[in-house]
Amino acid sequence: KNQVEQSPQSLIILEGKNCTLQCNYTVSPFSNLRWYKQDTGRGPVSLTIMTFSENTKSNGRYTATLDADTKQSSLHITASQLSDSASYICVVMGNYGGSQGNLIFGKGTKLSVKP
Amino acid sequence: DTGVSQDPRHKITKRGQNVTFRCDPISEHNRLYWYRQTLGQGPEFLTYFQNEAQLEKSRLLSDRFSAERPKGSFSTLEIQRTEQGDSAMYLCASSGGGSRTYNEQFFGPGTRLTVL
Repeated sequence: KNQVEQSPQSLIILEGKNCTLQCNYTVSPFSNLRWYKQDTGRGPVSLTIMTFSENTKSNGRYTATLDADTKQSSLHITASQLSDSASYICVVMGNYGGSQGNLIFGKGTKLSVKP
Repeated sequence: DTGVSQDPRHKITKRGQNVTFRCDPISEHNRLYWYRQTLGQGPEFLTYFQNEAQLEKSRLLSDRFSAERPKGSFSTLEIQRTEQGDSAMYLCASSGGGSRTYNEQFFGPGTRLTVL
């Protein structure tokens, strides 16, 4: 079964600290992996998208890594800010011959940054 | 604002009533998606349009749900005879056509439905 598992489920860190969120997936065949940030009551906003040939991609203080062999990804947040408080969702796109309903969403990691 | 917009942002209704949500995608995007998201879960795919054609429907889309995109621009999602289990955030996303393999989807702010 195609699944995306994220850990931890929730995380509390102090402002200015770094943190790393994990994503493991079993989706196959694999097309790409995305990390989204979702503020409470808002829609998800894309942070990074990586194909199997990319093993790292940065977007400001966000750096995503991908190991397609072990089917693991991580999102590293550097020098956290209060505005980073949100849910971070890992999304894997399968490659099913053109199907558009093939985005498999993780349940997200809820990050709280405290002053 | 040229992003995806959804209306209303919040809807409270009584069980058994019908509700309709609207999504306006990014204007040049030909693909439009509807998702449902319950508390603590990731979004779940409901249906997808390419232009005005509804090309895919999830098994989650029961016969009480219907979606349309009559002119290939905005879309509506109607839920008939609402049930308490329909309470969720309904997200709309759009993406451009062309040869981009990423098919990046841009999400709207969502409509939060509460069925009493």
